[in-house]
Amino acid sequence: DTAVSQTPKYLVTQMGNDKSIKCEQNLGHDTMYWYKQDSKKFLKIMFSYNNKELIINETVPNRFSPKSPDKAHLNLHINSLELGDSAVYFCASSLRHTGELFFGEGSRLTVL
Amino acid sequence: AQRVTQPEKLLSVFKGAPVELKCNYSYSGSPELFWYVQYSRQRLQLLLRHISRESIKGFTADLNKGETSFHLKKPFAQEEDSAMYYCALSPRGGGATNKLIFGTGTLLAVQP
Repeated sequence: DTAVSQTPKYLVTQMGNDKSIKCEQNLGHDTMYWYKQDSKKFLKIMFSYNNKELIINETVPNRFSPKSPDKAHLNLHINSLELGDSAVYFCASSLRHTGELFFGEGSRLTVL
Repeated sequence: AQRVTQPEKLLSVFKGAPVELKCNYSYSGSPELFWYVQYSRQRLQLLLRHISRESIKGFTADLNKGETSFHLKKPFAQEEDSAMYYCALSPRGGGATNKLIFGTGTLLAVQP
């Protein structure tokens, strides 16, 4: 089944904890992304990697650190979680010079 | 600044009625415009892009550079069209990255 898959789908944790979300794509794409969707359904890009190289880093706190071990994987690690980090995080992939992004199902993070 | 505006958070219509989801953008260059859709319990997916100039599921969208708009239209709404619709902009030009900038989304509810 070709797709973008991310785990976990749901994550509930306490403030101050560190957590990771993993993303994998088997579409043969060379570019991967993390988007954050807030409670008002606003989608905002956080990071983008092309062939393991960081190409977009929007004004995201240093507590967020993406890691791309290869072009099929892009993980997101978040340190010292805060209440405002509660959101749905979407992973996506594409071929670099196309505008068609393929999204994962999202990971809903709730920080208590 | 690059921005996509969708003025309606919710659009409710009856089955068979025409639908127009509004989208305006702000970008100094020549952008590429997209409509993405998220059906209930499904992942966000591309609906159509302006360069294709095609109709998908009865939906069309025309890029109006004078009005900087890319409204999504369908002459007769169906219940299965109920979903969240996002307008998105990708800057174009040499070296441009695939940075998709999303609008805030419009929830389309088609009543029977």
